[in-house]
Amino acid sequence: QVQLVESGGGVVQPGGSLRLSCVGSGSIFRGSDLHWVRQAPGKGLEWVAVISKDETKHFFSDSVKGRFTTSRDNSKNTVYLQMDSLRLGDTATYYCAISDCGGDCYTGRGWFDPWGQGTLVTVSS
Amino acid sequence: SYVLTQPPSVSVAPGQTATITCGGNKIGTKDVHWYQQRPGQAPVLVVYDDASRPSGIPERFSGSNSANAATLTVRRVEAGDEADYFCHVWDSSRDKVVFGGGTKLTVL
Repeated sequence: QVQLVESGGGVVQPGGSLRLSCVGSGSIFRGSDLHWVRQAPGKGLEWVAVISKDETKHFFSDSVKGRFTTSRDNSKNTVYLQMDSLRLGDTATYYCAISDCGGDCYTGRGWFDPWGQGTLVTVSS
Repeated sequence: SYVLTQPPSVSVAPGQTATITCGGNKIGTKDVHWYQQRPGQAPVLVVYDDASRPSGIPERFSGSNSANAATLTVRRVEAGDEADYFCHVWDSSRDKVVFGGGTKLTVL
């Protein structure tokens, strides 16, 4: 079973930047699309972005499009979420998750399994 | 944008059956996935592709999907099932993932 570990969270001022990392184990990680999902304190899940296994496709939610970018280094089993122009509303725990559809599927489709344990990002002045 | 609607809360006594709905326009034409999130923990997949169950998830968890509503059913509810449950679909028209607002299952 693949395990995912996020890091890079912390406290940042509005307008600042932060880069999150998600490290995975095993070859499954390198062959999988990787999603970012966030959860504001006491709130529900909000999808943020997905990067395809070969880095050719990147999709974003409307709330982060133009401010966040995704990249990956498969040689390091690592996916990154670069967050710029951070806002108070970006405060949340950020999870990475692998998507699977049981075969070769369109980027973004499929269920999320497994998830990382999350990393907390706090945007505050 | 595509919207998924879940009841904020569902309460059930131990041993009874909990039913959690996820409403969406023609959701029956989409693949629906369900996650359980216990307090302070990451979400865990409990049902995928409407009605399939990952290994390690008890048979008490089942799902269905038709027309404008998907349903997660938890039979013989136990205290350990108390958690938030979220439904999830892929909005292919906009290339975006959509989550329902979540349902808090309380075991009385």
